[in-house]
Amino acid sequence: SSELTQDPAVSVALGQTVRITCQGDSLRSYYASWYQQKPGQAPVLVIYGKNNRPSGIPDRFSGSSSGNTASLTITGAQAEDEADYYCNSRDSSGNPYVFGTGTKVTVL
Amino acid sequence: EVQLVESGGGLVQPGGSLRLSCAASGFTVSSNYMSWVRQAPGKGLEWVSVIYSGGSTYYADSVKGRFTISRDNSKNTLYLQMNSLRAEDTAVYYCAKETWYSGSSRAFDIWGQGTMVTVSS
Repeated sequence: SSELTQDPAVSVALGQTVRITCQGDSLRSYYASWYQQKPGQAPVLVIYGKNNRPSGIPDRFSGSSSGNTASLTITGAQAEDEADYYCNSRDSSGNPYVFGTGTKVTVL
Repeated sequence: EVQLVESGGGLVQPGGSLRLSCAASGFTVSSNYMSWVRQAPGKGLEWVSVIYSGGSTYYADSVKGRFTISRDNSKNTLYLQMNSLRAEDTAVYYCAKETWYSGSSRAFDIWGQGTMVTVSS
């Protein structure tokens, strides 16, 4: 089955911009969706499709995609954005779905 | 309010069985693609199983032959029957509703709060 690879951890200064990437072959066929997970809580959908935010998600979250790479950008990171972020997509081989390895975002 | 509430987790011995439930409100389980996703302690998210609105089911290789996903339309509830449990099945289990926005765009838009399963002697 396919894999989605993410950097394990990134840090960003308060108010600055951070980009999280997700790489995998399945992203050539399907858009990634992105999830924020804070300790002890369930994941929350923050971006889906080309660049869509569910109701209630701040507009500082945005998404993009090119080739086999999807990106989640937080523009003007806030303290409350400190969390783990996972990408997810349909899988064109093997299991129907695949999650990324996850990125821990620290806001300094 | 659209909501998912899991139950049924607990401590079970290796080789034992457990059935998880996921009660839905605000939408119809049978009209949607519904998945189970798990997260081992300190680890990432792992997709486990899905049941499509048409009834087709699929499983991750790690649970194939041991886990069974099903639903009860009259109770608007999703289930995961877990047999032959192993230590590596220890995780928080989430149920999630999937929405398709277009042919190439979908997401798990609603998640339950999760239920902990511990497999240990």
